[in-house]
Amino acid sequence: GQQVMQIPQYQHVQEGEDFTTYCNSSTTLSNIQWYKQRPGGHPVFLIQLVKSGEVKKQKRLTFQFGEAKKNSSLHITATQTTDVGTYFCALLKGNTGKLIFGQGTTLQVKP
Amino acid sequence: NAGVTQTPKFQVLKTGQSMTLQCAQDMNHEYMSWYRQDPGMGLRLIHYSVGAGITDQGEVPNGYNVSRSTTEDFPLRLLSAAPSQTSVYFCASSGTANQPQHFGDGTRLSIL
Repeated sequence: GQQVMQIPQYQHVQEGEDFTTYCNSSTTLSNIQWYKQRPGGHPVFLIQLVKSGEVKKQKRLTFQFGEAKKNSSLHITATQTTDVGTYFCALLKGNTGKLIFGQGTTLQVKP
Repeated sequence: NAGVTQTPKFQVLKTGQSMTLQCAQDMNHEYMSWYRQDPGMGLRLIHYSVGAGITDQGEVPNGYNVSRSTTEDFPLRLLSAAPSQTSVYFCASSGTANQPQHFGDGTRLSIL
């Protein structure tokens, strides 16, 4: 079935460094969603991308959707300790609300 | 607003026992889903529903049953618990198919 591969699985950075996580699919995606899960918490929606080449920004977070709609990335500029958590991409299948998640990237930030 | 409410928050079962994880949402959402989360494996879809009376299987449905008799409630039943079902279970809902999903706080389930 359609899946997304997310890399890296873990990332340790020094506070102030940048961070990027990538999602890759072998098939064309209709859209992709990004979620953040704090340690011990539940996933919280960040953003949805639907257009080829789309770029969206939320403060220090930049989300991109590839031109071929087969990959996406989340980039955090100048990480802070509040950025700690696991970031998931997820693809929406059809019109069913069926969301398939990537494995997630766990970010740790050293103060 | 309560959003998505899951009960219980924690549960310990013995192998072979059955139980129901409860999920309720007060946002009048049509779409509801159950996921399990295991270390290093992200969230995997167990079952989902596109409205009252309609359910379908996700990626890992074996050992679980669901029903959707009302818009608000989407219980998940473990028929005969196995240690492999030890996990954190999340329920989620959304208003339409492509709207963001709202997650409950999860149920941490251990099966001995």
